[in-house]
Amino acid sequence: NAGVTQTPKFRILKIGQSMTLQCAQDMNHNYMYWYRQDPGMGLKLIYYSVGAGITDKGEVPNGYNVSRSTTEDFPLRLELAAPSQTSVYFCASSYAGGRNEKLFFGSGTQLSVL
Amino acid sequence: AQKITQTQPGMFVQEKEAVTLDCTYDTSDPSYGLFWYKQPSSGEMIFLIYQGSYDQQNATEGRYSLNFQKARKSANLVISASQLGDSAMYFCAMREGSGGTSYGKLTFGQGTILTVHP
Repeated sequence: NAGVTQTPKFRILKIGQSMTLQCAQDMNHNYMYWYRQDPGMGLKLIYYSVGAGITDKGEVPNGYNVSRSTTEDFPLRLELAAPSQTSVYFCASSYAGGRNEKLFFGSGTQLSVL
Repeated sequence: AQKITQTQPGMFVQEKEAVTLDCTYDTSDPSYGLFWYKQPSSGEMIFLIYQGSYDQQNATEGRYSLNFQKARKSANLVISASQLGDSAMYFCAMREGSGGTSYGKLTFGQGTILTVHP
């Protein structure tokens, strides 16, 4: 059972570079999410998707883009990286709401922008 | 205003004792869900327990229970019989609204670090 797989685990970017964080889930979940966690803080929602082809902004979407061409994959694109994007990024998925609403998280990507 | 407030930056408990981690929330939506997640030092996020705003009874999941006091807007996590492996950061989170487009869109508190002493 792979669950939610994120790559890479660690990355250092220079200011202005771009990169894509990969996320894949094998649980056939419709819902997928990207959260970021700044040091000593709770998670904040960047983008989410309720199914293939449908995405929408969360609380902190600026500087990011997403796509959802398949149920399994939900990559997060960082364009023109800035030091403020230094954070740990978590991808998550869920099956539905209520008691099935629990999020299954990936192991995270630690990103530093220098 | 903070939607989720966890006022205890750190808590200590003796092994085998119970501990309560506080969480208060703020919402005007009658439909919402409350969650607790555990984050060990390894960094992963682990779901612990869920309480819906219309649930009449407090949620329980093994050694975890959620003390839901709706009028006071509090959703405290109670861990019974603490174990050394319970040492971790604990986050309270809330989802506002109902229906498919609100699922999983959580607002997290800042967390409480729990340390279990042998």
